[in-house]
Amino acid sequence: DTGVSQDPRHKITKRGQNVTFRCDPISEHNRLYWYRQTLGQGPEFLTYFQNEAQLEKSRLLSDRFSAERPKGSFSTLEIQRTEQGDSAMYLCASSIQGGTEAFFGQGTRLTVV
Amino acid sequence: AQTVTQSQPEMSVQEAETVTLSCTYDTSENNYYLFWYKQPPSRQMILVIRQEAYKQQNATENRFSVNFQKAAKSFSLKISDSQLGDTAMYFCAFMKLNTNAGKSTFGDGTTLTVKP
Repeated sequence: DTGVSQDPRHKITKRGQNVTFRCDPISEHNRLYWYRQTLGQGPEFLTYFQNEAQLEKSRLLSDRFSAERPKGSFSTLEIQRTEQGDSAMYLCASSIQGGTEAFFGQGTRLTVV
Repeated sequence: AQTVTQSQPEMSVQEAETVTLSCTYDTSENNYYLFWYKQPPSRQMILVIRQEAYKQQNATENRFSVNFQKAAKSFSLKISDSQLGDTAMYFCAFMKLNTNAGKSTFGDGTTLTVKP
């Protein structure tokens, strides 16, 4: 296992289009997290899963955002009707239950034009 | 709610010298974890060092060490013998005890450049 992987690495989309990102966590990790990171800021928590259950969503996660982890393995984050303000790096991380370290992917950089 | 403040947006250091990155935080919790993460350009964020608040001894990991001042709510990172590969953005993060590893609160980061 080579760590947390995210796909695509970069995405440019026109305003109003839908986009979907994928995250593959470390295989034995049952917790998976999504973050948004804008330029010059630290990661901001969006949501997390324990296995296939989405247990918490941040207020930052508007109705246009939806995340799934259907089989408790990989996860997808979809943004509908993208806006320029959605331009950011979207990070995924995973951890074991009870662990204190989160392992991050390289992120997907979204640019909305 | 917890807040984490990194007051130095950018810093630079000459190769082989020592640099200290600052971090302060605010919390009403008594037991928690503090972290420094490193995010190199175009690469994933990795954990550099971790400190448990209930431990008085400062954590060290090879060239990386922290100065943890619980009463002052200060958590600085010292990098000794800086190397070009240390060039990265460094994030200080706070995590409550018995919570999820991925639910840390991050500061806005310090961009460190190591100059040859």
